[in-house]
Amino acid sequence: DTGVSQDPRHKITKRGQNVTFRCDPISEHNRLYWYRQTLGQGPEFLTYFQNEAQLEKSRLLSDRFSAERPKGSFSTLEIQRTEQGDSAMYLCASSLFDVQGLEQYFGPGTRLTVT
Amino acid sequence: AQSVTQLDSHVSVSEGTPVLLRCNYSSSYSPSLFWYVQHPNKGLQLLLKYTSAATLVKGINGFEAEFKKSETSFHLTKPSAHMSDAAEYFCVVSEPRGGADGLTFGKGTHLIIQP
Repeated sequence: DTGVSQDPRHKITKRGQNVTFRCDPISEHNRLYWYRQTLGQGPEFLTYFQNEAQLEKSRLLSDRFSAERPKGSFSTLEIQRTEQGDSAMYLCASSLFDVQGLEQYFGPGTRLTVT
Repeated sequence: AQSVTQLDSHVSVSEGTPVLLRCNYSSSYSPSLFWYVQHPNKGLQLLLKYTSAATLVKGINGFEAEFKKSETSFHLTKPSAHMSDAAEYFCVVSEPRGGADGLTFGKGTHLIIQP
């Protein structure tokens, strides 16, 4: 399967711990996005990369959130000092940036539960 | 800034009857518009997209949507509902060529199919 993959699929952590999620995009895609989805809501855009450059990060929810894509392939999203309000589904998507308009392909998500 | 309003949080139809899911958008640009579907415990799947070509867009599984600029609408329809269509549907807007805001999702419409 050559779709977007995310690891882990589920994460349970205690408040105050740090967590890191990984996303592997479709191999030829140069853009990678992170979203958060809370219960009963649509996904909320957090940040995105074009190759290894993070082109938008002002929408990250707080300075506890950070993302990297060091070699322009996989990406990680880290949440430091987790809070109960961070419990959500974290989605990754990738796309091929071209003039036709963007079609983003989503991974299955990582469900985070903060206890 | 861009936004999406899905006019119904829940829609219930009988199997074999038409489906209409309503969406209005707001954008400062000529946007790209999408409908995504999310089945329980599965990732988001693209149903169809509009990117300034034909205003009537056909998607997968018999769905289609019509872009009406004068009404700022992009409603999703299907002539005959199937039980497998039961899912959450998201209307999504994007700036041309993706822009810096990623995708903006509506809050979703939960489609219920009655046997």
